[in-house]
Amino acid sequence: DAGVIQSPRHEVTEMGQEVTLRCKPISGHDYLFWYRQTMMRGLELLIYFNNNVPIDDSGMPEDRFSAKMPNASFSTLKIQPSEPRDSAVYFCASRGQGSNQPQHFGDGTRLSIL
Amino acid sequence: AQSVTQLGSHVSVSEGALVLLRCNYSSSVPPYLFWYVQYPNKGLQLLLKYTSAATLVKGINGFEAEFKKSETSFHLTKPSAHMSDAAEYFCAVSDLAGAQKLVFGQGTRLTINP
Repeated sequence: DAGVIQSPRHEVTEMGQEVTLRCKPISGHDYLFWYRQTMMRGLELLIYFNNNVPIDDSGMPEDRFSAKMPNASFSTLKIQPSEPRDSAVYFCASRGQGSNQPQHFGDGTRLSIL
Repeated sequence: AQSVTQLGSHVSVSEGALVLLRCNYSSSVPPYLFWYVQYPNKGLQLLLKYTSAATLVKGINGFEAEFKKSETSFHLTKPSAHMSDAAEYFCAVSDLAGAQKLVFGQGTRLTINP
């Protein structure tokens, strides 16, 4: 079975540029989560969707961050404009119905903003 | 609100020795509990989960964890460490009250000495 697929795996760009991270969840999963991982702050939940609808975006750090899920098989996380402090590993995870179900993680996008 | 505390950000054991990674949680209702492992440059992978069935849960790679309600603990153990167990381990809690998010601990980095 295909797991959660994220692209790109690595992104290096200059400050001020727009960055778009992509995620394809596991087919049939109703929930999609975006996380950010840094050494200083650990694993932070940014936003999650249920049936393509954003439910909780309280973890989104600033208005520069936005996320969409236009359909059940695709989501994007956009940063515009990017800043060096946005450098981190960004993970997407998906999950089936029921909070006893585990989240399945992609391999992440390592983002470096110069 | 739920929370998770992992005691020890770094644990080091010898190959063949017992592995014990500690996790304590707080939750207003009986929780669902998860252990995840993260290898370098990879996403989090589910090791095992507790969902109110048997209190001793067996997972992949020879790991197991015991849910102890009186101690609010869910410690992860493995009788004999292998070099391939070197990784970061995360404990997470979800509750039955409908919250769809997982709350993660800060992680424990496990080092295996030859």
